[in-house]
Amino acid sequence: DGGITQSPKYLFRKEGQNVTLSCEQNLNHDAMYWYRQDPGQGLRLIYYSQIVNDFQKGDIAEGYSVSREKKESFPLTVTSAQKNPTAFYLCASSIEGAKGQPQHFGDGTRLSIL
Amino acid sequence: AQTVTQSQPEMSVQEAETVTLSCTYDTSESNYYLFWYKQPPSRQMILVIRQEAYKQQNATENRFSVNFQKAAKSFSLKISDSQLGDTAMYFCAFLVNYQLIWGAGTKLIIKP
Repeated sequence: DGGITQSPKYLFRKEGQNVTLSCEQNLNHDAMYWYRQDPGQGLRLIYYSQIVNDFQKGDIAEGYSVSREKKESFPLTVTSAQKNPTAFYLCASSIEGAKGQPQHFGDGTRLSIL
Repeated sequence: AQTVTQSQPEMSVQEAETVTLSCTYDTSESNYYLFWYKQPPSRQMILVIRQEAYKQQNATENRFSVNFQKAAKSFSLKISDSQLGDTAMYFCAFLVNYQLIWGAGTKLIIKP
């Protein structure tokens, strides 16, 4: 079945450490997105990519980095510059070139500070 | 600024009742799309319904329907014959220029 796979489900970060969250999709979608979800708030966009080897910053990109070397993969690195990384992270994808198509989501990764 | 407001942080109804969740939004764009997503305790984000702003007809999906008032920038979700499995956070969002703008969500509890 087609879908979006995020791993790991839970992740712990030590002080000064970079960690990478994985996101893989087999839906043949061109566009991929990373969101951060905090309690009591809606999702906030970190980065998005409309095509391989290209990506744009969202509203809260500081302290995060991404790459898009393959259509299927869009990993997110939480760097040590992100001082408050504890949150639930959701990856999504959508068909590009067809505006208004909904985004499909993975099951999320919960990141906590040790 | 483009914003989405969900004025009801939490609601609860009895099973089989009808419930309406409110959503208002603000944008200067004329072409956009509106969505309701559901996030159950499992945290998976699930699409409930989609509405195209240029269509006046309200979208429906089985027990779920919307009341879309473009001039008022209102996009409420009605759930008919509510079921225990409808218990979840419900998020309203609109899509403009490839970006989804999200509300803070409404926690809906269906009581047996």
